[in-house]
Amino acid sequence: DAMVIQNPRYQVTQFGKPVTLSCSQTLNHNVMYWYQQKSSQAPKLLFHYYDKDFNNEADTPDNFQSRRPNTSFCFLDIRSPGLGDAAMYLCATSGGGVNNQPQHFGDGTRLSIL
Amino acid sequence: QQPVQSPQAVILREGEDAVINCSSSKALYSVHWYRQKHGEAPVFLMILLKGGEQKGHDKISASFNEKKQQSSLYLTASQLSYSGTYFCGTEPPPSNTGKLIFGQGTTLQVKP
Repeated sequence: DAMVIQNPRYQVTQFGKPVTLSCSQTLNHNVMYWYQQKSSQAPKLLFHYYDKDFNNEADTPDNFQSRRPNTSFCFLDIRSPGLGDAAMYLCATSGGGVNNQPQHFGDGTRLSIL
Repeated sequence: QQPVQSPQAVILREGEDAVINCSSSKALYSVHWYRQKHGEAPVFLMILLKGGEQKGHDKISASFNEKKQQSSLYLTASQLSYSGTYFCGTEPPPSNTGKLIFGQGTTLQVKP
């Protein structure tokens, strides 16, 4: 089945140690999103790609970076994780351009900071 | 600007109905509804685009008011599988960008 796959499901890293989360999709969608979701809160958009065009949210910390080397893959890099970055990170895609298309979410990566 | 969902939480018995509201202070381009079970990804339910629109499938339906500032999700004859947190995701104008701002969520618990 076509889907959005996030690896790993659980990631533990040390305070200040860079970490990379990955997302792949078999839907061939143009748009890929990264959200941060803390416990009992709504998903919060960090950034998104429309094809190769990168769009950063104004309040996304500089500590968070992203790469999209091709249509299928997208990475979230956290350069120096702090305790406040512990959260679920969700990747999502949408297709057909951005026009009124639903977002398809991966199962997420739960990040813990020691 | 984050939409406001109400109520924050609902507890139902199987077979009962529920309504979840999503409100914005400004007119919206669209509203998306998602359900998220604990520890799982949000799952898409439906999108509403037009003022006055109503749509649904099976026993879950939604409406979007004429001013496009409020949407409601209707769950009828609830089943245990309906339990989870429901989020509305709103897309502000002026144009559809695909970017969603999610409400704070409504937790629904359906009991036998």
